[in-house]
Amino acid sequence: NAGVTQTPKFQVLKTGQSMTLQCAQDMNHEYMSWYRQDPGMGLRLIHYSVGAGITDQGEVPNGYNVSRSTTEDFPLRLLSAAPSQTSVYFCASSYSRTANTEAFFGQGTRLTVV
Amino acid sequence: GENVEQHPSTLSVQEGDSAVIKCTYSDSASNYFPWYKQELGKRPQLIIDIRSNVGEKKDQRIAVTLNKTAKHFSLHITETQPEDSAVYFCAARGPMYSGGGADGLTFGKGTHLIIQP
Repeated sequence: NAGVTQTPKFQVLKTGQSMTLQCAQDMNHEYMSWYRQDPGMGLRLIHYSVGAGITDQGEVPNGYNVSRSTTEDFPLRLLSAAPSQTSVYFCASSYSRTANTEAFFGQGTRLTVV
Repeated sequence: GENVEQHPSTLSVQEGDSAVIKCTYSDSASNYFPWYKQELGKRPQLIIDIRSNVGEKKDQRIAVTLNKTAKHFSLHITETQPEDSAVYFCAARGPMYSGGGADGLTFGKGTHLIIQP
């Protein structure tokens, strides 16, 4: 049982490059979210999706795009990387919004933009 | 939307002592309060949670208490051990209008717990 899988685990980009962070879950979860984690800032919500074909913006969406063509996959695209996007990125998924539903996190992607 | 405040940001305790981390939330309609532990270089993982109709829940050395009237909840770790060193996140799940991630969870900023030998 793989759970939530993120790739790559580490990435170095040059300013202006684009790339896609992959997130896949095998638990048939409808609810998926992307967070970035910076020192002292906690987990900040970038984008989220409540089902295939439905996405919405979180707290810090600028510079990122998402799509949700299948229930399993929720990729995060960096359009033109900037040093301010250097961070650790986590994808999370949940079965529902009801109480007692656990959020499962991927192992994270550590991104450095130079 | 929901706002979760977490204190302290860093907590250092002697091995064997107790540690308490506190969180407050703003939306009285929030009904689920999980705690996540993140070890260095790892993903956050659920360690304990509590629903709004329960005042306290224990699991071996960890416990969570909830005060709905004051809108705060706390994580208690007794007999701390070196493996308890980590960052701990609290979260609150509110109704659809309260924001948060796809599943409605809003996270606190985290507490770095350091266990001194």
